[in-house]
Amino acid sequence: GAGVSQSPSNKVTEKGKDVELRCDPISGHTALYWYRQSLGQGLEFLIYFQGNSAPDKSGLPSDRFSAERTGGSVSTLTIQRTQQEDSAVYLCASSLDISGPQHFGDGTRLSIL
Amino acid sequence: SQQGEEDPQALSIQEGENATMNCSYKTSINNLQWYRQNSGRGLVHLILIRSNEREKHSGRLRVTLDTSKKSSSLLITASRAADTASYFCASFRTSGSRLTFGEGTQLTVNP
Repeated sequence: GAGVSQSPSNKVTEKGKDVELRCDPISGHTALYWYRQSLGQGLEFLIYFQGNSAPDKSGLPSDRFSAERTGGSVSTLTIQRTQQEDSAVYLCASSLDISGPQHFGDGTRLSIL
Repeated sequence: SQQGEEDPQALSIQEGENATMNCSYKTSINNLQWYRQNSGRGLVHLILIRSNEREKHSGRLRVTLDTSKKSSSLLITASRAADTASYFCASFRTSGSRLTFGEGTQLTVNP
């Protein structure tokens, strides 16, 4: 597609379950980013990929969070044993280079019951 | 930690007025970018200004950069109700590896 695509757009799950969020970046974009945004707040950086490697994982909140990127394209963010504080919108973005404009998807709204 | 800080946190104006939002940052940068976010959507890139530029225009948007004060401003002229959104600045540090976003300014333009 023309833009960054994220799925699912909404996810409601019970505390303790694992969830997997997907991001399809713009074709040809080597850099891919994951952010978290709580209601009315700014962006919290989680992790970014350059190709398939993740030079900066410093934003991952705990070892329950992991992410991978395959084929320099699709990325998945996995949250294991979800907690209520994980409820937020998870945004993905991609860019041609790390200093340039980022193109965002519309996010996955995650609600943990 | 977030490098950029925007002020004001919230701004409410009437249609037709100008809106000015400010952003400050702490370390030297390669460029600074402004983004817009409508409710329930992702961020949309508006404009990028490089460290050797002082002013840039795009339609009704005007961005200035003062590297000596480590600050930038976004001016939206002749605002419209459709400009209602959150606006974020993001800086790319000279020694950095990724953009750092500020906390955003919530702009409300009343019809």
